[in-house]
Amino acid sequence: AQTVTQSQPEMSVQEAETVTLSCTYDTSESDYYLFWYKQPPSRQMILVIRQEAYKQQNATENRFSVNFQKAAKSFSLKISDSQLGDAAMYFCAYRRREGGGADGLTFGKGTHLIIQP
Amino acid sequence: DTGVSQNPRHKITKRGQNVTFRCDPISEHNRLYWYRQTLGQGPEFLTYFQNEAQLEKSRLLSDRFSAERPKGSFSTLEIQRTEQGDSAMYLCASSRAGKSNQPQHFGDGTRLSIL
Repeated sequence: AQTVTQSQPEMSVQEAETVTLSCTYDTSESDYYLFWYKQPPSRQMILVIRQEAYKQQNATENRFSVNFQKAAKSFSLKISDSQLGDAAMYFCAYRRREGGGADGLTFGKGTHLIIQP
Repeated sequence: DTGVSQNPRHKITKRGQNVTFRCDPISEHNRLYWYRQTLGQGPEFLTYFQNEAQLEKSRLLSDRFSAERPKGSFSTLEIQRTEQGDSAMYLCASSRAGKSNQPQHFGDGTRLSIL
């Protein structure tokens, strides 16, 4: 079974600074997808960024970028120019490639990101 | 795109009662997922549908849990004979079929509290 580990229960960063959230995963499969989701307090979970394992290029979405190290099974999220609206729980998630039965996401426990003004 | 809708937002019930939650996916999405999220944890996958077919249900937590999507549109999740440990947030998500990197869009969830 796949597992996703987020070793940082909580991170704090000053507004406008850069922060990196860590994620490692364990899988025996070679083709899969990785995601970062954001869950603000009492609000719905939204997708921040996604990465396909067969792509070597790291994904980027505006201020959000990832460092995907397939051999190390590491998938960290970098947030540049942190804003107060970035404060939330951040979840790393894994999904196997199409096929087979289980098609749900496997999530880590999350990292609580605090933005200090 | 009106988003994924879940009802009710909150449900409080006594131990031993049955509860049912409803999820209305985004209209053009034919895949629908249920997750459970307990305090301090990430969501845990329970089951998923493609159209009306339930393609994965081995992850349902016990035989007290069941889900349906009779016409391939909205879905219901039922918990029979609720227990204290069932207290959690129940999340629904939907996506288009196709490549597995199609993002899952989540609803606001139904928070279940067992007295």
